[in-house]
Amino acid sequence: GEDVEQSLFLSVREGDSSVINCTYTDSSSTYLYWYKQEPGAGLQLLTYIFSNMDMKQDQRLTVLLNKKDKHLSLRIADTQTGDSAIYFCAVANAGNNRKLIWGLGTSLAVNP
Amino acid sequence: DSGVTQTPKHLITATGQRVTLRCSPRSGDLSVYWYQQSLDQGLQFLIQYYNGEERAKGNILERFSAQQFPDLHSELNLSSLELGDSALYFCASSAGQGENSGANVLTFGAGSRLTVL
Repeated sequence: GEDVEQSLFLSVREGDSSVINCTYTDSSSTYLYWYKQEPGAGLQLLTYIFSNMDMKQDQRLTVLLNKKDKHLSLRIADTQTGDSAIYFCAVANAGNNRKLIWGLGTSLAVNP
Repeated sequence: DSGVTQTPKHLITATGQRVTLRCSPRSGDLSVYWYQQSLDQGLQFLIQYYNGEERAKGNILERFSAQQFPDLHSELNLSSLELGDSALYFCASSAGQGENSGANVLTFGAGSRLTVL
């Protein structure tokens, strides 16, 4: 069935770049999303990319999509301690209702 | 504040009991989604309602039920509670039902943390 996989943990130093990776199985995926969950809070949308794009940049965030390898990444430039959170990749399939398939989330720890 | 309101924030109850979680979607949103988040299973989609009608079903147990009322708020009912039902329950809302050509962005509430003892 459809699946989205992420590594569970990532640790970086403050000021470095963080790269969070996601792989998915459904080649007909349309929209691909990155959500952020801070401790004790709900998920909030960070950014999304449509499947006909290879890259999207929004301030410190860069999303790269490799459709051939079914690989999505989120790069956070100049990572700050406030970026410490869980980052979820979610992929919408092209079928009815564009069901979202979620990864388990990557916990990003930013060390001073 | 995301605009999605969930109550209660925390709930502690005993096995076998029944609880109701409530969600008010963001103003103008017609779809409500319920998710369960636990440490071992991640974020699990339970059910979606659109404008009062059930739209999609995920991994929702038969002991759980939900509905969306005419004013668009939604309730998730959890009955015959077991220890394994302890989790964070999130409600999210979106403007559409997800089948148009645009992105379907979900806005999440802060969650209801359920502890079953």
